[in-house]
Amino acid sequence: QVQLVESGGGVVQPGKSLRLSCAASGFTFGSSAMHWVRQAPGKGLEWVALISYDGGNEDYADSVKGRFTVSRDNSKNTLYLQMNSLRLEDTAVYYCARASDATGFYGWFDYWGQGTQVTVSS
Amino acid sequence: IQMTQSPSSLSASLGDKVTITCRASQRIGSYLNWYQQRPGKAPKLLIYIASALQSGVPSRFSGSGSGTDFTLTINSLQPEDFATYYCQQTHSNPQTFGQGTKLEI
Repeated sequence: QVQLVESGGGVVQPGKSLRLSCAASGFTFGSSAMHWVRQAPGKGLEWVALISYDGGNEDYADSVKGRFTVSRDNSKNTLYLQMNSLRLEDTAVYYCARASDATGFYGWFDYWGQGTQVTVSS
Repeated sequence: IQMTQSPSSLSASLGDKVTITCRASQRIGSYLNWYQQRPGKAPKLLIYIASALQSGVPSRFSGSGSGTDFTLTINSLQPEDFATYYCQQTHSNPQTFGQGTKLEI
C-alpha cells in the first residue's frame, strides 16, 4: 500500500533553516510528481511546491519562492523540502502528497502523508 | 486563481443532503478536485477532475461543474461525513485551494 511518511519538523528560530523529508513506499516513486502542502494552525490548505518525477521541473508558491527548495532522491524514494530564512508565518503542518501523474500539472493529490509540524518561534 | 467556497460552514443532520459550491476566479476547465479533512488528519481525496469518484469513496459523494462553477454533493449524511471540505484547482500554478467548508452536525 502507498505510504508517505514525513519527518524533520520541529521548533526553529526565525531566520534559521530546516529540512523536511518524506519517505515513500508502496509505489514507483520515480514515476510520480510530488507536492508539499502546508496548513497553518486553524487555517486552510496552502500549496507550497511541486517537483516533477525526475526532478527536472519545480515550482513554488510566491510566499516561499527564493527561500524553500524542493528536491528528490529517487534512489532513496525520498522527497525533501529545504526551508531557509524561516519566518513566523511559516509555522504550519507540512504534508507531502503524491501527484496523480509524472509532471504535477492538471492532476490531483491521491495520497498524503500524516504531516510534520514546523514551528517558527523566537 | 482564487477559489471561493460557499458556505464557509454548514450545519446539517444525519440523512440530510448537502451541497457545497466552489467558484474559480477564472475558467479552469474541469481541473477541480475535492478533499475531505477530519480534525487532526491529513486531507483525503474524494473527487477528481470535477466529477470522478476516487476509488473507495462512497457513492453518496458526487461532484459536478466545469469552467468556473463547481459543486460537491453529499447524499444521506453519515456520522463520518462531518468534516471540512476543500476544493482545489490544478489548472495552473499555484494550485490553489478554497478556504474550506466546515460541515457540522
